[in-house]
Amino acid sequence: DAGVIQSPRHEVTEMGQEVTLRCKPISGHNSLFWYRQTMMRGLELLIYFNNNVPIDDSGMPEDRFSAKMPNASFSTLKIQPSEPRDSAVYFCASRRDWPREQFFGPGTRLTVL
Amino acid sequence: AQSVTQLGSHVSVSEGALVLLRCNYSSSVPPYLFWYVQYPNQGLQLLLKYTSAATLVKGINGFEAEFKKSETSFHLTKPSAHMSDAAEYFCAVSEAAGNKLTFGGGTRVLVKP
Repeated sequence: DAGVIQSPRHEVTEMGQEVTLRCKPISGHNSLFWYRQTMMRGLELLIYFNNNVPIDDSGMPEDRFSAKMPNASFSTLKIQPSEPRDSAVYFCASRRDWPREQFFGPGTRLTVL
Repeated sequence: AQSVTQLGSHVSVSEGALVLLRCNYSSSVPPYLFWYVQYPNQGLQLLLKYTSAATLVKGINGFEAEFKKSETSFHLTKPSAHMSDAAEYFCAVSEAAGNKLTFGGGTRVLVKP
């Protein structure tokens, strides 16, 4: 069974550009989570969805960040406009209602110049 | 609110020696507790979890952890370190019925030959 798939694996862009990160959760999982990992702040939950509905977006840092989940097999995290301080590794994770462990994707390493 | 404290951001052990990684949590409700491992340039992989069954939990790769409610701890151990154990380890807590994981700051393990 395929794990969580994220694309791209690496993204280098210039400040001010729009960035879109993509995630395909594991089939049958009904919750999806977006995290950001930096040296300074560690792992932070940005937003999570349950049954395609955003439940908690309190971790989204600014209005420049937005996330969608149009169906059970796809989610996007968009940053517009991007800034150098957005440089981080962004992880997507998914899980079922039970068992409750989250399965993580390989991450997208974003560098904003 | 939940929080997790991992004592020691870096741990160095000799190959064959005991690995002990400390995790203390705070939670106002019965918690679920997890240990994840992250190898360089990869996503997080679940090592083991506590979900209110046995207090001594065995995971993959020879790791185990013991839930001690009186000490609010969930320390991770492995009797004999292997070179392949070099990675970063994260402790995480969630409310039993909750969706969100709160992560500790991580402990990076170095294994010396």
